[in-house]
Amino acid sequence: IAGITQAPTSQILAAGRRMTLRCTQDMRHNAMYWYRQDLGLGLRLIHYSNTAGTTGKGEVPDGYSVSRANTDDFPLTLASAVPSQTSVYFCASSADWSQPQHFGDGTRLSIL
Amino acid sequence: DQQVKQNSPSLSVQEGRISILNCDYTNSMFDYFLWYKKYPAEGPTFLISISSIKDKNEDGRFTVFLNKSAKHLSLHIVPSQPGDSAVYFCAASPYGGSQGNLIFGKGTKLSVKP
Repeated sequence: IAGITQAPTSQILAAGRRMTLRCTQDMRHNAMYWYRQDLGLGLRLIHYSNTAGTTGKGEVPDGYSVSRANTDDFPLTLASAVPSQTSVYFCASSADWSQPQHFGDGTRLSIL
Repeated sequence: DQQVKQNSPSLSVQEGRISILNCDYTNSMFDYFLWYKKYPAEGPTFLISISSIKDKNEDGRFTVFLNKSAKHLSLHIVPSQPGDSAVYFCAASPYGGSQGNLIFGKGTKLSVKP
């Protein structure tokens, strides 16, 4: 079934550790996005990529980095995790920036 | 300051009746609006969208209304079904629908009672 795959589904991480959340889509979508969802705050955009080779900052980019080496993959890296990064992370993609986004099922990350 | 507001955290409706979910926005540059539905432990699913050049868009049981002068949009679900029970997010985009700048509301949890 075509869609977006996120890994891991959940993770407990010690503060200060490096962590990469993986996101792969098989729909050949040009645009990809990373959001975090926190209780009472809805979804907030971290980083996005309108096409392979380009990335942009969203609303809450600090502490996160992304890369877009190819069309299908869009990993999100926390270089040195902090407890405030405890959240549910959603990856999404769209055919292009003007089309609705399709979301993965999320990664639940706890930083202790 | 929150640019997209969903002031009702929850809504309970009887099966078969109409559900009305509301959303207000503050940024007059927003010109493309979307509704997403989210079930627990799943990602949001796109439901319906509307461009600022329209005031209504309909897709089956779902209709979105846009009142630009009031900076208000609403999602109507008629008739409501128990499977509609989920969290509904309103989202808005400036710059002609550039999805890279999608701003979400906090969501409204809809419960449809059998």
